[in-house]
Amino acid sequence: AQSVTQLDSHVSVSEGTPVLLRCNYSSSYSPSLFWYVQHPNKGLQLLLKYTSAATLVKGINGFEAEFKKSETSFHLTKPSAHMSDAAEYFCVVSSGGSYIPTFGRGTSLIVHP
Amino acid sequence: DTGVSQNPRHKITKRGQNVTFRCDPISEHNRLYWYRQTLGQGPEFLTYFQNEAQLEKSRLLSDRFSAERPKGSFSTLEIQRTEQGDSAMYLCASSKSGGHSGNTIYFGEGSWLTVV
Repeated sequence: AQSVTQLDSHVSVSEGTPVLLRCNYSSSYSPSLFWYVQHPNKGLQLLLKYTSAATLVKGINGFEAEFKKSETSFHLTKPSAHMSDAAEYFCVVSSGGSYIPTFGRGTSLIVHP
Repeated sequence: DTGVSQNPRHKITKRGQNVTFRCDPISEHNRLYWYRQTLGQGPEFLTYFQNEAQLEKSRLLSDRFSAERPKGSFSTLEIQRTEQGDSAMYLCASSKSGGHSGNTIYFGEGSWLTVV
């Protein structure tokens, strides 16, 4: 079985300040983990993925995430928020023999000028 | 590679009518997924195809829902006798098997359904 918990439903930051979106996962097998971003009325765009290589993963638009097995976490960070980062972010797990990725409920990132 | 294509993008229908959505996956992607997303929620898995075979269906997929992928390329999702609770965005995604078990799936823009 696999599951994902996104610890914050909303995160609010000021433009130029760091972003932290938290994700914890549960998996019976070695997981693959992903972050997707969704802008209003749009589909989902892949930001980055972890697939058992380097634990620190760099993605698009300056985002990165670190896989911590001991903490079962895969938090998403960005050093400096931009107004265009305002969107919904989803943490996703896929593991073992399941080809069905499981989504978290999402975190809404709000960026203030 | 033109990405995953879905149409129509928006559909408004009266309760009780049937609707059909089409998804064209990325070429050479043998896996295809349908998800449903309601406002403020994450996408929920509906069904999964590998080539033309429908390998898994969620309990969310009631008998009013049917999905096909007849030639292992495009897929259709049909909803019969629509209900207001079916109003949602229906997302299609595709991926390619082989390689790492953590396959990356790529999503289309979604098809919005409003049942009035």
